[in-house]
Amino acid sequence: QQQVRQSPQSLTVWEGETAILNCSYEDSTFDYFPWYHQFPGESPALLIAIRPVSNKKEDGRFTIFFNKREKKFSLHIADSQPGDSATYFCAASGASNNAGAKLTFGGGTRLTVRP
Amino acid sequence: NSKVIQTPRYLVKGQGQKAKMRCIPEKGHPVVFWYQQNKNNEFKFLINFQNQEVLQQIDMTEKRFSAECPSNSPCSLEIQSSEAGDSALYLCASSPQGGAYEQYFGPGTRLTVL
Repeated sequence: QQQVRQSPQSLTVWEGETAILNCSYEDSTFDYFPWYHQFPGESPALLIAIRPVSNKKEDGRFTIFFNKREKKFSLHIADSQPGDSATYFCAASGASNNAGAKLTFGGGTRLTVRP
Repeated sequence: NSKVIQTPRYLVKGQGQKAKMRCIPEKGHPVVFWYQQNKNNEFKFLINFQNQEVLQQIDMTEKRFSAECPSNSPCSLEIQSSEAGDSALYLCASSPQGGAYEQYFGPGTRLTVL
C-alpha cells in the first residue's frame, strides 16, 4: 500500500520559473511532512518541513502549501536555478508509525532546471 | 549540513557473505533510523532505536538483518548472508527526539552484492 504519492515523476522548468511538486497521503494520523532533495551520488538532505497546524511554510525560495482536508501538500520552488536540479522526495510521519515515527517517502520527482 | 557519519561509503560482498556498516549519529540525537534506498529510489524503513532500545523494525530486519546501537559505540547494521537483492544504498538518519521530528541523513553506505 503506497501511503504517500508524489507527482510528477519528472519535471523540467526554465531558470526563473516556479517549479511545483505535489504529494498526497492517505493516513490521517500523519502529522509531520518534510521535503528532501537528493543530488546524484549524495544522500537526501532535509529542505523544509511542515506540520498540519499550518497551511503554509516558507524558507527563502521554498514554500510548502498544505491542505489537510484534501490530504495534499506541495513544494513550490520560486525563481528556479540550475543548481536546484535534483530529485525531490516528500515524506510523512506521525503517530500511526508507533513510537518510532519512521518516514514514509513518496516516489520522488526528478527536477531539471534549464538555463 | 548533516553531521551523521557512516562507514564505509562503499561495500562490495559476494552472495552469502556478511556485510556490516556503521553509523555515528549527530551528537545529542538519541534516535537513529536505518533505511534502504534501492536503485528505483524507493525507500524502505528497516529499524530504529532510541538510545540503545529498538523502537520498531520490519520483518526483513528480524530475519537476515541485525542491528544495534550500543552506548558509547557506533550503531551498526549487519546483513548475515547477503543476497543480490540487498544491493542498495543504506542510509542512517538521526533525530533530536522521538516522535515525528526532523531526521538528518548520513552519506550512506552503498552495498553491492555480486
